[in-house]
Amino acid sequence: DSGVTQTPKHLITATGQRVTLRCSPRSGDLSVYWYQQSLDQGLQFLIQYYNGEERAKGNILERFSAQQFPDLHSELNLSSLELGDSALYFCASSVGGTGGSQPQHFGDGTRLSIL
Amino acid sequence: ILNVEQSPQSLHVQEGDSTNFTCSFPSSNFYALHWYRWETAKSPEALFVMTLNGDEKKKGRISATLNTKEGYSYLYIKGSQPEDSATYLCAFGNQGGKLIFGQGTELSVKP
Repeated sequence: DSGVTQTPKHLITATGQRVTLRCSPRSGDLSVYWYQQSLDQGLQFLIQYYNGEERAKGNILERFSAQQFPDLHSELNLSSLELGDSALYFCASSVGGTGGSQPQHFGDGTRLSIL
Repeated sequence: ILNVEQSPQSLHVQEGDSTNFTCSFPSSNFYALHWYRWETAKSPEALFVMTLNGDEKKKGRISATLNTKEGYSYLYIKGSQPEDSATYLCAFGNQGGKLIFGQGTELSVKP
């Protein structure tokens, strides 16, 4: 058990809809990272938050947004969903803000299916 | 575009065999190299984070080395066991803070 909690585990919705994925980091971790894993693709970095502030951004679509709240949990909002957004979305956390030098602890992921 | 390449894509070995795989990454703007183990139906689990050229890390039967000048890292598993079966991911971290993952090496260890 990594200590990172993601909800829900599975989400099935339709094109055009909006969903929110939630992540609670490991106790004591200040950074939260979001990743997307699509079919035949590796883990793609989306965005990082550190102590409530956006720290680094990857190839995150404009239809996607995220935030980290004062209690350090984070939410990833996906809107105007398309079939291609079907993927496994992981949240990870680490102690500090420099994601490159510290191990990241991954949640179990949310599997999003767009019908 | 930063590319992290892992080879081989998949590997099938017998229990007791020792094995190794490679991660290649850009040698410029290096900050850290991560290795993760990802078992089916679970989440990736951190194995090592290496930051210095020549770093060697060990955890039980698994070890890793790092060459930042030529841009590669090796992961070694000594005496593979069926429970080592997993996908092994490496990730390159630059000073920007994000990790760029390779596609992974899928290891299958047969008893």
